[in-house]
Amino acid sequence: GQQVMQIPQYQHVQEGEDFTTYCNSSTTLSNIQWYKQRPGGHPVFLIQLVKSGEVKKQKRLTFQFGEAKKNSSLHITATQTTDVGTYFCAGPNYGGSQGNLIFGKGTKLSVKP
Amino acid sequence: DTAVSQTPKYLVTQMGNDKSIKCEQNLGHDTMYWYKQDSKKFLKIMFSYNNKELIINETVPNRFSPKSPDKAHLNLHINSLELGDSAVYFCASTDLGRMHEQYFGPGTRLTVT
Repeated sequence: GQQVMQIPQYQHVQEGEDFTTYCNSSTTLSNIQWYKQRPGGHPVFLIQLVKSGEVKKQKRLTFQFGEAKKNSSLHITATQTTDVGTYFCAGPNYGGSQGNLIFGKGTKLSVKP
Repeated sequence: DTAVSQTPKYLVTQMGNDKSIKCEQNLGHDTMYWYKQDSKKFLKIMFSYNNKELIINETVPNRFSPKSPDKAHLNLHINSLELGDSAVYFCASTDLGRMHEQYFGPGTRLTVT
């Protein structure tokens, strides 16, 4: 079945270091979304990428969608303690109803001050 | 104003009991979801509900039943609770006519003893 895989599962960084999480899909995606979940919180939508090779930036966060639209990455420059949380990528679930997402297992980021 | 709300936030109950979790969204969205997040933070969709069409994830036991009195509400009823049902349950909503980004509720932490 359709799968969305994320690596690494965990990442521990020193504050100020960069961080990257990678997302790979078993199928070509029409779009990919990224969510952030703070400890004890709920997933919050960050961004959606639609175009092949698209790159979008939000302050220190850079999101990229691969040329083949099967992979994506999120890069955080100079991490801060406020970046702590689990980052999920999600793509359309083609086996489900319209709007359903299939989530990666997430990358849990911890930042040491 | 809370966009997607859930009650209760915490629910502790014994095996065999029946319980309900309520969800309401005031975003005017046309689609609502229930997700289960286990201790490893994996987010798995349980149900999606759009225009009175219910799509059930085939892996969800039939002890779980969603009920939608109207477009703004999607409640989750669970019969004969089991230890393995312990998890955080998130309600989410989206507008299929727009970006499909999902808005999550704060979650309900269910503990079955």
